[in-house]
Amino acid sequence: DAKTTQPPSMDCAEGRAANLPCNHSTISGNEYVYWYRQIHSQGPQYIIHGLKNNETNEMASLIITEDRKSSTLILPHATLRDTAVYYCIVRGNQGGKLIFGQGTELSVKP
Amino acid sequence: NAGVTQTPKFQVLKTGQSMTLQCAQDMNHNSMYWYRQDPGMGLRLIYYSASEGTTDKGEVPNGYNVSRLNKREFSLRLESAAPSQTSVYFCASTGTIDGWGYTFGSGTRLTVV
Repeated sequence: DAKTTQPPSMDCAEGRAANLPCNHSTISGNEYVYWYRQIHSQGPQYIIHGLKNNETNEMASLIITEDRKSSTLILPHATLRDTAVYYCIVRGNQGGKLIFGQGTELSVKP
Repeated sequence: NAGVTQTPKFQVLKTGQSMTLQCAQDMNHNSMYWYRQDPGMGLRLIYYSASEGTTDKGEVPNGYNVSRLNKREFSLRLESAAPSQTSVYFCASTGTIDGWGYTFGSGTRLTVV
C-alpha cells in the first residue's frame, strides 16, 4: 500500500471550508484513497473514499488530482464538532489491512 | 444498536499479569481487527482476522495473542503484561473487502504499572 504524507496540524475558522491535503506520490492504479477521522479518542469514523473521480457525500468532498499523486478532503462549512484527527489512507480494493499514519489534527476555532 | 462492543472499557494491570480484551460485533461482518493507539500517535494494527477461523499478524503483534472464537467475537490476550503495552486498544470489523466499511468500537484504556 502506498505511503501518505499529511501536515501534522491545521486550524480552521468555524463556518469556513477546511481543506486537508494528502500526498500519495507512489499510489498505484488500483489503489483507492480513503479518509477517516477520530474525534477525541473515540474510534475512527469513515468519511469518504475515491479512486480517480472527485467524490461528495453528506460529510465532505474529496478532490483527487489528475495524476492521482495528491488529494484534498474538503469540509465545506466546518463546525466545532469537526475538530478531530483526519487520516488519509491509500489501499487497494482487494481486501487486506487498513493501515493508519499520523494524520492531521484539525482544530476548528470560533 | 448495531455495532462493535469492547469490554472492559478501562483496566489497570500489574506487570506480568495476564488479561483478555473482548470484542463482539453484531453486523455479521467477516473481518475483525485489533489496533493499539499510544498517546499522540496513529493507530497501529496488532492482529486481524479476515474471516472466521483465520488470524494474521499486523504491524505490532509481539506480546499478544488472538482468538477468533466465532464470527461475532475476536479476543486479544496479553499473556504477561508490560508497561510498554499501556495504550488504548480498538477493535474494528468490516463486512466488505473495501477500505470504507470499517466500524470501530469505543476502545479499552489499559494501564500497566
